[in-house]
Amino acid sequence: NAGVTQTPKFQVLKTGQSMTLQCAQDMNHEYMSWYRQDPGMGLRLIHYSVGAGITDQGEVPNGYNVSRSTTEDFPLRLLSAAPSQTSVYFCASRDTLNTGELFFGEGSRLTVL
Amino acid sequence: DAKTTQPNSMESNEEEPVHLPCNHSTISGTDYIHWYRQLPSQGPEYVIHGLTSNVNNRMASLAIAEDRKSSTLILHRATLRDAAVYYCILRANTNAGKSTFGDGTTLTVKP
Repeated sequence: NAGVTQTPKFQVLKTGQSMTLQCAQDMNHEYMSWYRQDPGMGLRLIHYSVGAGITDQGEVPNGYNVSRSTTEDFPLRLLSAAPSQTSVYFCASRDTLNTGELFFGEGSRLTVL
Repeated sequence: DAKTTQPNSMESNEEEPVHLPCNHSTISGTDYIHWYRQLPSQGPEYVIHGLTSNVNNRMASLAIAEDRKSSTLILHRATLRDAAVYYCILRANTNAGKSTFGDGTTLTVKP
């Protein structure tokens, strides 16, 4: 199994550009989530989903959109990138058993100039 | 969401036990206590979790206070590969239970 796969691993954007970070998992997990991690900080939850067609906001949702059309995929869209969105982004998934562990991707490093 | 408090950093010598504390005084009765660690330039990885009873697995042990307001992650023999940021997280006992990460404890292991 590949687990949680994120693409791209690295991306440089100019202010105002848009892009989508892709996340796919092959474990049939219902729950998926996106975090961002700024240098020297912990992870902050952006958005999460408990199943196809269902999404909700986390701690820092502004500037990001998500959708969940399939169980496998949970893309994160930046509509108009800002320098404050420079960060490392992690996608994570788990099954909906209450004690299920989170499986993380390797991260996507985004720089906005 | 209930919050956790951890020391910013800790040091240990190689092959010695390490006790990483976490305070969670506002924990609710059904919150699970999870621990993750993040090695440099990697995503977090699961370490252990528990509800009320102490737990052991191949990576570590989790000791939970009787009142559940604190817990301790125990690494029985620290190795250089255990140097990481360790996060203590509370997660609500629901399908949508969110995992809120704090800043964690940076563990340094000295040879």
